[in-house]
Amino acid sequence: DIQMTQSPSSLSASVGDTVTITCRASQTISNYLNWYQQIPGKAPKVLIYAASSLQSGVPSRFSGRGSGTDFTLTISSLQPEDFATYYCQHSYSTPLTFGGGTKVEIK
Amino acid sequence: QLHLQESGPGLVKPSETLSLTCSVSGASIGDTDFYWGWIRQPPGKGLEWIGNIRKTGSTFYHSSLKSRVTMSIDTSKNQFSLNLTSVTVADTAIYFCARRDEILTDFFPYNWFDPWGQGTLVTVSS
Repeated sequence: DIQMTQSPSSLSASVGDTVTITCRASQTISNYLNWYQQIPGKAPKVLIYAASSLQSGVPSRFSGRGSGTDFTLTISSLQPEDFATYYCQHSYSTPLTFGGGTKVEIK
Repeated sequence: QLHLQESGPGLVKPSETLSLTCSVSGASIGDTDFYWGWIRQPPGKGLEWIGNIRKTGSTFYHSSLKSRVTMSIDTSKNQFSLNLTSVTVADTAIYFCARRDEILTDFFPYNWFDPWGQGTLVTVSS
């Protein structure tokens, strides 16, 4: 199974900050990498697919980069509604696996 | 607009079978070629993919659950279902259903889960 490791597991930031979350795969996954946002009590929502493609309707302050084993999700100019937990997920092979999550909290 | 809704018992006894159904509205499962999936999340923890199913009945299951999982699909009811046998407290989780959206490529489709149902909490306890 491909292991997905996210860092940090949590971070504190202020409205207007730029934050970057990292996801590392245990083996190469090309760019078969998705990012989700989960607000407490809600289902996850896809933000980015294929490592860097922005899902329709997602604000452009969200961006993804990477290929191979190392990936990043960047949120520019953090907004109040962005405080949530973010998960990466590979779709390179089965079993599909998710990272452990990064909780973005208000400083 | 596509909408998914999970339903089923919220409490299951250890060693029994967990059965959930996902009802799809806004599109006909039988008219599309998408895979449909189940994902779970233990309270306060991360996400675990359980498996996917297609209208043809083709399935992919997580290797760690394969011996206990069965998925089925009923295009006439626009529903798909999950059965998980011999449950233990470790199976206590919020269970989500979702559509596997995709973009075809020359190699393998890029795919991701969207949209998701709201999730249903299943507690395993005697």
